[in-house]
Amino acid sequence: DQQVKQNSPSLSVQEGRISILNCDYTNSMFDYFLWYKKYPAEGPTFLISISSIKDKNEDGRFTVFLNKSAKHLSLHIVPSQPGDSAVYFCATSGSARQLTFGSGTQLTVLP
Amino acid sequence: GAGVSQSPRYKVAKRGQDVALRCDPISGHVSLFWYQQALGQGPEFLTYFQNEAQLDKSGLPSDRFFAERPEGSVSTLKIQRTQQEDSAVYLCASSRLQGKIGEQYFGPGTRLTVT
Repeated sequence: DQQVKQNSPSLSVQEGRISILNCDYTNSMFDYFLWYKKYPAEGPTFLISISSIKDKNEDGRFTVFLNKSAKHLSLHIVPSQPGDSAVYFCATSGSARQLTFGSGTQLTVLP
Repeated sequence: GAGVSQSPRYKVAKRGQDVALRCDPISGHVSLFWYQQALGQGPEFLTYFQNEAQLDKSGLPSDRFFAERPEGSVSTLKIQRTQQEDSAVYLCASSRLQGKIGEQYFGPGTRLTVT
């Protein structure tokens, strides 16, 4: 039973437009949420995070939104750039220190 | 500074062989995690160390999997009598935060193929 779901395996966006990646979770005990980016043959790289006491966190072109009532997390990238093309994983944690990951979304930004 | 390093990067093992995968975390990071990533999936937690203490091994899939971090720095994940279902990328991550959830820094992984 997947506790963290990314229902879109892939997403294509034109350069300069907004990319929106979505993530749903089932465990209401999760209280910290993160997005990681992964290029081929590399490990995931931390991108941005948000704690459950907030509903929005922004860092440059990246904004994460948290809707606790819907148990939904999203990552907005604007404007999208070709270098953003990668697999994006959402991850959550609760009282345990390990991260629970979604299955990832392959983002392709077209020039 | 140096990131998390893992060796070997690629390992091919015949079914039934034992393998050992090494992780060098970022210097000073007290927390160390091992994850297993199957093709097309996200990483799945295997085990967690705080310094040399293995605090959580609930994700290890069987007793063929064993991890250690004897001096609180380098860690080794050992898989005995490998099976085909063990084929995956094994990721190591470290974190500098001891008492709180923190961002984890991942190594490039070891891709294990069991034939």
